[in-house]
Amino acid sequence: AQKVTQAQTEISVVEKEDVTLDCVYETRDTTYYLFWYKQPPSGELVFLIRRNSFDEQNEISGRYSWNFQKSTSSFNFTITASQVVDSAVYFCALSEEGNRDDKIIFGKGTRLHILP
Amino acid sequence: DGGITQSPKYLFRKEGQNVTLSCEQNLNHDAMYWYRQDPGQGLRLIYYSQIVNDFQKGDIAEGYSVSREKKESFPLTVTSAQKNPTAFYLCASSLGGGLSPEAFFGQGTRLTVV
Repeated sequence: AQKVTQAQTEISVVEKEDVTLDCVYETRDTTYYLFWYKQPPSGELVFLIRRNSFDEQNEISGRYSWNFQKSTSSFNFTITASQVVDSAVYFCALSEEGNRDDKIIFGKGTRLHILP
Repeated sequence: DGGITQSPKYLFRKEGQNVTLSCEQNLNHDAMYWYRQDPGQGLRLIYYSQIVNDFQKGDIAEGYSVSREKKESFPLTVTSAQKNPTAFYLCASSLGGGLSPEAFFGQGTRLTVV
């Protein structure tokens, strides 16, 4: 069965600090996708990134970077030089291609507070 | 504008009443989803549909029903059998079929039982 664990329920950092959000997943499939979403106070989930299981290259997009390690089943998300606007709930998610059912399972989320 | 529209944004229901939440998308996506969000619980999958006239139960389908008569629409009915329906409901869609599996979300409906 597929499972996503975000062990950090809530994190607070001071603005300009770097912060890493952890995500550990479980799957029996060899082909799968991992995602990160941001949920600002408005409630709508915003898609940030997708990674497939064959692509372990780290990705950087501005202040955001993602570290995918199959050996530890982790897909961690780092925000560099955090800003108050980064305050939100962040979700990691998993979809197994092998099931061919398009099912997407989410972790419980990490609430990030960036303090001015 | 392409996107997913959920309505209404806020909904109040009396105990024992059924209520239907609307979800419409104009992204030409095949797959659609309904999630429920409670504080500290993250997003839990209620139902999902990969194609018109077909849908599957998610992890917490009891007390809910859906239909998928049109590609663009995936309404969710919260029935009186759902014992604790107060929550934030999110609808999403994706291309499906492994083509582009990321889901895109609507703005959500906050349901309160009074």
